Amino acid sequence: GAVVSQHPSRVICKSGTSVKIECRSLDFQATTMFWYRQFPKQSLMLMATSNEGSKATYEQGVEKDKFLINHASLTLSTLTVTSAHPEDSSFYICSARDRAGHSNQPQHFGDGTRLSIL
Amino acid sequence: RKEVEQDPGPFNVPEGATVAFNCTYSNSASQSFFWYRQDCRKEPKLLMSVYSSGNEDGRFTAQLNRASQYISLLIRDSKLSDSATYLCVVTTSGTASKLTFGTGTRLQVTL
Repeated sequence: GAVVSQHPSRVICKSGTSVKIECRSLDFQATTMFWYRQFPKQSLMLMATSNEGSKATYEQGVEKDKFLINHASLTLSTLTVTSAHPEDSSFYICSARDRAGHSNQPQHFGDGTRLSIL
Repeated sequence: RKEVEQDPGPFNVPEGATVAFNCTYSNSASQSFFWYRQDCRKEPKLLMSVYSSGNEDGRFTAQLNRASQYISLLIRDSKLSDSATYLCVVTTSGTASKLTFGTGTRLQVTL
């Protein structure tokens, strides 16, 4: 089945550090990838939609200069949290839609990245 | 008002019990509906799609009522392994449709 690999799974770093998270579709091509954030006991909230070869579309309230998204190929999207602060600590999850539409799932999710900023 | 609303629970039920979760959505243009399961500190996993005609997958039955904008999930003969958070998910139509998640309902099945 379709697999999405997200790396790293866990990050602990000091305030002010920039953190890059990778999301790869391993056996399918994804023109569209999605980045979500989930705070404890809350729902997954869509941050942005990443489109291969074009600028990402950010949801209202999400700072595009803070959360840099690059989708340079059909199998890779990256999210960079720039100058991270403790309030950015959260569970970040990516997902990808199969370009060919072979899957019965609307999106395939990565394992998530737990980010802790000290 | 939230786009997708769920009772957060927790629902504490004994093994073998039947439990039902409800979900309401506010966007009448919503086209596709799903139940996902999320274990603690893990990514969500698709449990089943939801259709107006109702659909069943083993011990799980999902139902959609478009007129009331209401979705349900019924779990029969609960197992300990069913303990998780169940997320109601809604999308609008089209290839660019986004998933909108409810906050989830926590289920704890006990001995």
